[in-house]
Amino acid sequence: QSVLTQPPSESGTPGQRVTISCSGSGSNIGSNPVTWYQQLPGSAPTLLIYANDERPSGVPDRFSGSKSGTSASLAISGLQSEDESDYYCATWDASLKGWVFGGGTKLSVL
Amino acid sequence: EVQLVESGGNLVQPGRSLRLSCVGSGFIFDDYVMHWVRQAPGKGLEWVSGISWDSNSIDYADSVRGRFTISRDNAKNSLYLQMDSLRPDDTAVYYCAKADGSGSYHTHPPIEYWGQGTLVTVSS
Repeated sequence: QSVLTQPPSESGTPGQRVTISCSGSGSNIGSNPVTWYQQLPGSAPTLLIYANDERPSGVPDRFSGSKSGTSASLAISGLQSEDESDYYCATWDASLKGWVFGGGTKLSVL
Repeated sequence: EVQLVESGGNLVQPGRSLRLSCVGSGFIFDDYVMHWVRQAPGKGLEWVSGISWDSNSIDYADSVRGRFTISRDNAKNSLYLQMDSLRPDDTAVYYCAKADGSGSYHTHPPIEYWGQGTLVTVSS
């Protein structure tokens, strides 16, 4: 059972906009910025979004992040087949004194 | 180009020990917070441990505290994870990870780069 809650799966068709939710509590998302990672099959994770809504250079602006209270979301617009991947949210948990991850969301592009 | 190369993963019996290593290149190693994160087969990511640039601040996940020890040697651009009393549920790919440079350990900068991982299998 992960400290941060994500839906196990989401799906969309090419060109569509999808969102992936990440729910936590006051000791984690409620008091610390959220980071999102993409993990393509058979590969290590890569940084997608940091500080809730900031994109590293090289990440397409089709990817965006937001945070409100104890929840965060990752939105992907103009869905493409190469977006089919696992997505993880993460943040620091002040009570646990450690980083916590969501359980991951498998995105399928139909 | 940032590179993180892990080594030391192996098949080990329950109760035995293993030491993982990670060599970093393409950045000033002693400027950054470093972490170990693991992923059990078919499962999600689990943070294991983190260490400040000067080794003065260290944290562990509850699942490994008392059994695992993180350390670093900045002169060798290296990060280590000593794993003792290994259990079958420690079986995972272990990733070495570098935080970004946005702050000190206590401001919890996010992980920016990941190595390719090394597989640890605990089984009799």
